[in-house]
Amino acid sequence: SQQGEEDPQALSIQEGENATMNCSYKTSINNLQWYRQNSGRGLVHLILIRSNEREKHSGRLRVTLDTSKKSSSLLITASRAADTASYFCATDSRTGANSKLTFGKGITLSVRP
Amino acid sequence: DAGITQSPRHKVTETGTPVTLRCHQTENHRYMYWYRQDPGHGLRLIHYSYGVKDTDKGEVSDGYSVSRSKTEDFLLTLESATSSQTSVYFCAIWDGLWEKLFFGSGTQLSVL
Repeated sequence: SQQGEEDPQALSIQEGENATMNCSYKTSINNLQWYRQNSGRGLVHLILIRSNEREKHSGRLRVTLDTSKKSSSLLITASRAADTASYFCATDSRTGANSKLTFGKGITLSVRP
Repeated sequence: DAGITQSPRHKVTETGTPVTLRCHQTENHRYMYWYRQDPGHGLRLIHYSYGVKDTDKGEVSDGYSVSRSKTEDFLLTLESATSSQTSVYFCAIWDGLWEKLFFGSGTQLSVL
């Protein structure tokens, strides 16, 4: 069964606006990651946040993690048309050295020029 | 680009035929994964490998088998394809240094 559940399923915004995407999960994690997928392509890693971190930034990306609520959010600031893609959260519930990322169903983001 | 190549990129086959998808990596990573992606389901793990001849099942392994005879190659086999296995299949490798997955470009498989 899937660990992460993203919300909303689809998001449409105007270029320049901020996009906020949420992810909830069910069990304890080592870290949570966000990936992007452009149409017809494989997923690309965006950012990782560890279970002992609350917030992380990377360029126009800001991710937060609330382990008490088992939730994370991804904020894309000043969105661009090129940000149009599907976004997935993935939880890492690692046992030993073996990482097994579990993905959510994804959020479709459309950024209108 | 983490040096991952999936082949073929597209395949159409008939129900009941065997199908093998290949994932090749050039980075000598230990962990390799096969996912399938379907509308409404996101990505689901089929099988993974943690070394040569070391494999384990994921959440949707029924109807699939895998083999890893060399570090660089991870094969996914559908012994007798069914229409429910029509999907996009992604191979991924785990980069333990950066703690992230690198994905191949995917294989679009249609079972008619």
